[in-house]
Amino acid sequence: AQSVTQLGSHVSVSEGALVLLRCNYSSSVPPYLFWYVQYPNQGLQLLLKYTTGATLVKGINGFEAEFKKSETSFHLTKPSAHMSDAAEYFCAVDTGTASKLTFGTGTRLQVTL
Amino acid sequence: DTEVTQTPKHLVMGMTNKKSLKCEQHMGHRAMYWYKQKAKKPPELMFVYSYEKLSINESVPSRFSPECPNSSLLNLHLHALQPEDSALYLCASSQDPGREQFFGPGTRLTVL
Repeated sequence: AQSVTQLGSHVSVSEGALVLLRCNYSSSVPPYLFWYVQYPNQGLQLLLKYTTGATLVKGINGFEAEFKKSETSFHLTKPSAHMSDAAEYFCAVDTGTASKLTFGTGTRLQVTL
Repeated sequence: DTEVTQTPKHLVMGMTNKKSLKCEQHMGHRAMYWYKQKAKKPPELMFVYSYEKLSINESVPSRFSPECPNSSLLNLHLHALQPEDSALYLCASSQDPGREQFFGPGTRLTVL
């Protein structure tokens, strides 16, 4: 079975500050990992993904994430927050065998002036 | 075309009504999904279609009936819904099952 834990249901940062959203997973097989962003009343947009290969993954809007197998983590970072980054962020895992995404509970990012 | 479209954007229906949600993609994706999302919660998987065949039904009540008429189109037929079925219904597609999923904007459903 696979599961995802997102630490912190709500994170607040100042504009220009580092963004760090935490995601830990459990999986019995090598996972595929994803970060999605959801703006109010919209669908989910894929930010980035890890499947195989390079463990540091770059995505859209300046976000990146690093797959750390030893820590079973896939934390999302962005060096400098922008007001437009305020949204809900979901980490998700898929083992590739069940064709099912397992989502974390989400982290709401607030960006303040 | 690199997007998933969903219609209608909003839907209000009574508990005795029959309505349908529509999802379309023209990316040649071979897997399509229906999710239900309640406020402040992650999406919950309802159904998966793989190569136009239903491959996963997450024990969804029979008042929700999915249909995949062709590889580009996915419908969700609704009948005798309950107020607790009010939610955002999201459609997604992926190149193949297990690959990254691309989501549509959703249909906001309200059941009175």
